[in-house]
Amino acid sequence: EAEVAQSPRYKITEKSQAVAFWCDPISGHATLYWYRQILGQGPELLVQFQDESVVDDSQLPKDRFSAERLKGVDSTLKIQPAELGDSAMYLCASSPRDGTSGANVLTFGAGSRLTVL
Amino acid sequence: AQSVTQPDIHITVSEGASLELRCNYSYGATPYLFWYVQSPGQGLQLLLKYFSGDTLVQGIKGFEAEFKRSQSSFNLRKPSVHWSDAAEYFCAVAATGGFKTIFGAGTRLFVKA
Repeated sequence: EAEVAQSPRYKITEKSQAVAFWCDPISGHATLYWYRQILGQGPELLVQFQDESVVDDSQLPKDRFSAERLKGVDSTLKIQPAELGDSAMYLCASSPRDGTSGANVLTFGAGSRLTVL
Repeated sequence: AQSVTQPDIHITVSEGASLELRCNYSYGATPYLFWYVQSPGQGLQLLLKYFSGDTLVQGIKGFEAEFKRSQSSFNLRKPSVHWSDAAEYFCAVAATGGFKTIFGAGTRLFVKA
């Protein structure tokens, strides 16, 4: 069964350091999402891509967070500098292209757990 | 703006007992509705979805949910809970047209023997 791959699974860093997370969506999925999930809360959308274009990044803290999906396939989410409040699970998800069967049905990766000390 | 409310932070049920998890949404039109399940330290897995048509939808693992437009609700049910159902359950809403999916805060399910 196709999966969304994420790495690393766990990352511990000190505040003010830079961190990066990588996501490889299901092959053929045009839409890619990055969510942040703070312990005890639901996932919050940070950024949504359709192919290589950003569709929604309204909740992305752009002073420290950046995301790219240069070739419309895999994606990287970067935080620089990391702050204590960034400790969370970072979830990547993908779905088929809007207007096609299965659009809006998200398939999630296992997530990347970030701890900032 | 879209929003999702899951009134119960956690619920405890006995194994074999029935389960209902509540979800209320706010959206101007008929949205797409979802229930996802998350095991500890893992990503989310889709249980079921409602796009249109029959308001009672069946999902995986014996779960079902009923869309009630008049109550803006999409409650999740299971007639007999198994210990392996212990997890966190998230209700979600998406606007039609492929726009972002909003998740509720989740309900943690505990199953006692």
